[in-house]
Amino acid sequence: DQQVKQNSPSLSVQEGRISILNCDYTNSMFDYFLWYKKYPAEGPTFLISISSIKDKNEDGRFTVFLNKSAKHLSLHIVPSQPGDSAVYFCAASAGSGGGADGLTFGKGTHLIIQP
Amino acid sequence: DAGVIQSPRHEVTEMGQEVTLRCKPISGHDYLFWYRQTMMRGLELLIYFNNNVPIDDSGMPEDRFSAKMPNASFSTLKIQPSEPRDSAVYFCATTGLNTEAFFGQGTRLTVV
Repeated sequence: DQQVKQNSPSLSVQEGRISILNCDYTNSMFDYFLWYKKYPAEGPTFLISISSIKDKNEDGRFTVFLNKSAKHLSLHIVPSQPGDSAVYFCAASAGSGGGADGLTFGKGTHLIIQP
Repeated sequence: DAGVIQSPRHEVTEMGQEVTLRCKPISGHDYLFWYRQTMMRGLELLIYFNNNVPIDDSGMPEDRFSAKMPNASFSTLKIQPSEPRDSAVYFCATTGLNTEAFFGQGTRLTVV
């Protein structure tokens, strides 16, 4: 039973265009959501997060949108750059910010930025 | 700080052998997590500690798996005996109370 779902295993986007990665969740107790980026042979690194009291959080080229009624969040990257090619994991936690009780991860979306 | 340090980076062992994975957390982080990544199941939380005390081990797949945190600067994940289906990448992550989790580079375990 997957509580966090990333339905697109891979996504190919042209350099300079917008990349949109989607994530759905089923657990209503989740109140903090994060995106992690992972390069091959490295651990996931934190990218951006959003609390359930907000519907948008922006950091440079990265924006995360949260639609609580739909239990859906998305990560927008604009403009996309070659260095953005990586696997992106959506993660969620319940009860505390930052995931101090452990994170539930989606299976990831492999983003490929084409020149 | 050098970040979360895991060792070894790669481990190849024969079925039935004992395997010990090691993690050194970021200094000052009170929470330590062990995750396992497989193609089929993605990233799964196995167990986590708070102030060296195991809080939730419900993700540990079998009794063959055990984890310890004898002090604030060291944790181990042990598999005894190991089986081919344990082959995966094992990540250690740590966090403070209101910080995001920081991951180590992982240990790629292959059981043949």
